[in-house]
Amino acid sequence: DQQVKQNSPSLSVQEGRISILNCDYTNSMFDYFLWYKKYPAEGPTFLISISSIKDKNEDGRFTVFLNKSAKHLSLHIVPSQPGDSAVYFCAASASSNYKLTFGKGTLLTVNP
Amino acid sequence: DVKVTQSSRYLVKRTGEKVFLECVQDMDHENMFWYRQDPGLGLRLIYFSYDVKMKEKGDIPEGYSVSREKKERFSLILESASTNQTSMYLCASSIMRGQGVEGYTFGSGTRLTVV
Repeated sequence: DQQVKQNSPSLSVQEGRISILNCDYTNSMFDYFLWYKKYPAEGPTFLISISSIKDKNEDGRFTVFLNKSAKHLSLHIVPSQPGDSAVYFCAASASSNYKLTFGKGTLLTVNP
Repeated sequence: DVKVTQSSRYLVKRTGEKVFLECVQDMDHENMFWYRQDPGLGLRLIYFSYDVKMKEKGDIPEGYSVSREKKERFSLILESASTNQTSMYLCASSIMRGQGVEGYTFGSGTRLTVV
């Protein structure tokens, strides 16, 4: 049973436009959410996170939105740049443990 | 910055060989994890450890074992490598939750090919 779902395996956007990556979760115990970015042949790197007490967190071009009632979060990248092309993983954890549960990832391609 | 170092970037092993993948972290993190990444399947947890000599099975432990004799080192062992274990293996570490630092720090990964 997949507790964290990224339903879009891939997304293609033009440079300068907004990229929106979506993530849904089913476990109501999750209270902390993270996004990781992964380039080929490298390990994932932490991008941005949000606690369930917030509905938005912003860091430069990256903003994560959390809708707890819908069990949905999204990552917005504005403006998108070719260097943002990578696989993006959504992850979630519950206060009761230290494990992260990952989605399957979305491949973002930003075209020049 | 926390560093998680995986001993090999690329490995080619024969079916039936015993394979050791080593991971070392330098920031005194309590938790360490081994994942594999496969296309279309995302990151799947193999084993994790929250303390020295402690280990717990993840979602796909079959065919693997682990060792954590020292806090900084977490080894993944493929007892008898098979072709379906060809994958990218990722090690990660994290501090305990509630201590100010969240999330994992990953190593660069080991691309293992079993022939």
